[in-house]
This record gives sequence, C-alpha cells and structure tokens, in this order.
Amino acid sequence: AAGVIQSPRHLIKEKRETATLKCYPIPRHDTVYWYQQGPGQDPQFLISFYEKMQSDKGSIPDRFSAQQFSDYHSELNMSSLELGDSALYFCASSPGLGVYNEQFFGPGTRLTVL
Amino acid sequence: AQTVTQSQPEMSVQEAETVTLSCTYDTSESDYYLFWYKQPPSRQMILVIRQEAYKQQNATENRFSVNFQKAAKSFSLKISDSQLGDAAMYFCALSAGNMLTFGGGTRLMVKP
Repeated sequence: AAGVIQSPRHLIKEKRETATLKCYPIPRHDTVYWYQQGPGQDPQFLISFYEKMQSDKGSIPDRFSAQQFSDYHSELNMSSLELGDSALYFCASSPGLGVYNEQFFGPGTRLTVL
Repeated sequence: AQTVTQSQPEMSVQEAETVTLSCTYDTSESDYYLFWYKQPPSRQMILVIRQEAYKQQNATENRFSVNFQKAAKSFSLKISDSQLGDAAMYFCALSAGNMLTFGGGTRLMVKP
C-alpha cells in the first residue's frame, strides 16, 4: 500500500538559510499534518491543512510557513534557520478531518542546522 | 487543551516476559481517541494500537493490549511475550480534535 512520502529525507543547512520540506500524502487523503520532533523529545504539532485550507495551528514559529497544493501535497517553508530548528519533521495524512481519522505518518525529514 | 503524561522514561523487560507501559491523559472533550505509537531506531512512527473513548472494551492487537480506564484517564499498554524487536521508544498519544498530542515517551529495552 502507498504510504506518505517526504522529501528530502535528510537536509543540512547553515544558520539563517531557508529550507523547504515536502510531503506527499497517501492517495485520496485530503488532510496533512506537520509535526516537529526535537532530539530526545516527543513530536509537537505544528500545523495542519484540510482541502488546501489551513485547519489548525500549533506551536509553529512565525519564521515557518506552510501550504497545501491542489494535488494535496504540502510544503513546509522554514526561513532564517536557527540551531534549535534541528529536528525530525514528520508529515502525516488522513482521509479527512476529525478525531476518527487515523493519521498515517511519513518517514520524516531530518533537518540539521549548522 | 490536552495533556498526555508518561511517567516511565525507561523500562526494561526480559525476552518472553510481559511489560506494562503507563500513560495518563487529560482532556475536556468527550469524543477522543487514544493511541500507542512505537518509534524504533529508524525513527519511523508506527501505530501499535488505538482505542476509541466511547468503547468500553479494551483494544487488543496480537501481543499488544491496552487497559483503558476512562474515569481515571489512564491508558496503559501491555506487551506480552516480549521480543527483541519490541525494543523502541513508545509514545502514548491523544486525538481530541484535529491534531495528536503526545506524551514524553517511554524507552523500552528488551533483554535477551
């Protein structure tokens, strides 16, 4: 079965640079979620999209922005990168909003900021 | 706001034995789901088991079962016949809306 695809899998950036992470949901999933997992920490919700509109917003810094495109893939744009942004970034998708819809996680993008 | 607490940062179990991981949560929502995720060294998030809050019957998936105590807001995971491949970080998570709230995780070590 098709899974959530994230690219790139690894990314190394310098401080103050920008990064773009991409997420391709499972076919027919219209909802995408982004989570950030710092070293030794639990995943923290950043933002979600349903039918190309922002649904919920968590602890996402103002330096970050995201959107969902017409083909339902999503991109997380990160500017003015800081050392503390080094983390594993998960994307998850689900077939709709709501508590009943299971979120399927991608393999994550490991971002290292030097 | 939702909170999830895992009070055991680390647990160890002998291979073939049984281990129970604890989780407590808090939410004001009446409709929610609870999950246990496994995160092995690859760091992939793998769903182990899920429990609907409105169901009184505890969920079971092969060697994995939960003890869901709604009134106490407790959701523990029992792993029977532990295997070396069960060694991982385990996260308890709550879905009471359109996002997951995770606990701090429990690292499970399995001794041969």
